[in-house]
Amino acid sequence: EPEVTQTPSHQVTQMGQEVILRCVPISNHLYFYWYRQILGQKVEFLVSFYNNEISEKSEIFDDQFSVERPDGSNFTLKIRSTKLEDSAMYFCASSADGQGVREQFFGPGTRLTVL
Amino acid sequence: AQSVAQPEDQVNVAEGNPLTVKCTYSVSGNPYLFWYVQYPNRGLQFLLKYITGDNLVKGSYGFEAEFNKSQTSFHLKKPSALVSDSALYFCAVRDVGNTDKLIFGTGTRLQVFP
Repeated sequence: EPEVTQTPSHQVTQMGQEVILRCVPISNHLYFYWYRQILGQKVEFLVSFYNNEISEKSEIFDDQFSVERPDGSNFTLKIRSTKLEDSAMYFCASSADGQGVREQFFGPGTRLTVL
Repeated sequence: AQSVAQPEDQVNVAEGNPLTVKCTYSVSGNPYLFWYVQYPNRGLQFLLKYITGDNLVKGSYGFEAEFNKSQTSFHLKKPSALVSDSALYFCAVRDVGNTDKLIFGTGTRLQVFP
């Protein structure tokens, strides 16, 4: 069964450093998402991406965040200058459609720890 | 504003007994509703969804959920719990026509005791 994969599984970085979280969505999916889950809190939407453009973003997704689909398979989330409060589990998801009828498939997550 | 409430942080049930994990939602339009399960150190796995049609939807691993529009609820149920069902369960809603994002509840930890 096809699945979303994410690398690395755990990333430790110093405050102020740049990090790139990588995701490989399911191959025939066209809609891509990033969510995050701060320890003990709910899963929060960050951004959605379709046709090489951001289609929606939350208030959390400020200028420090960016997303990119650099090739036909990868989808990345970049945090330019990490803060302590960016420590969280980051989930990538993909879907075959953007109308919400099809479910979003989630990857296993990348745990980001900012020291 | 869209929101999802899962009023119970934890649900405890004995193996073989029926289980219910509660979820209520608030959206401005029609909802698409989802349940996901998260096992330790794993991502969110899709269980089932309500889009339209029958209010009772069946999903993976014997789970089902009932959509109740008047009560704005979408409770997750299973007739006979297994120890292996122990996990964190998330309800999520999408506000149809307004957004592509999922709004998640805070999660309910299900503990099934042998």
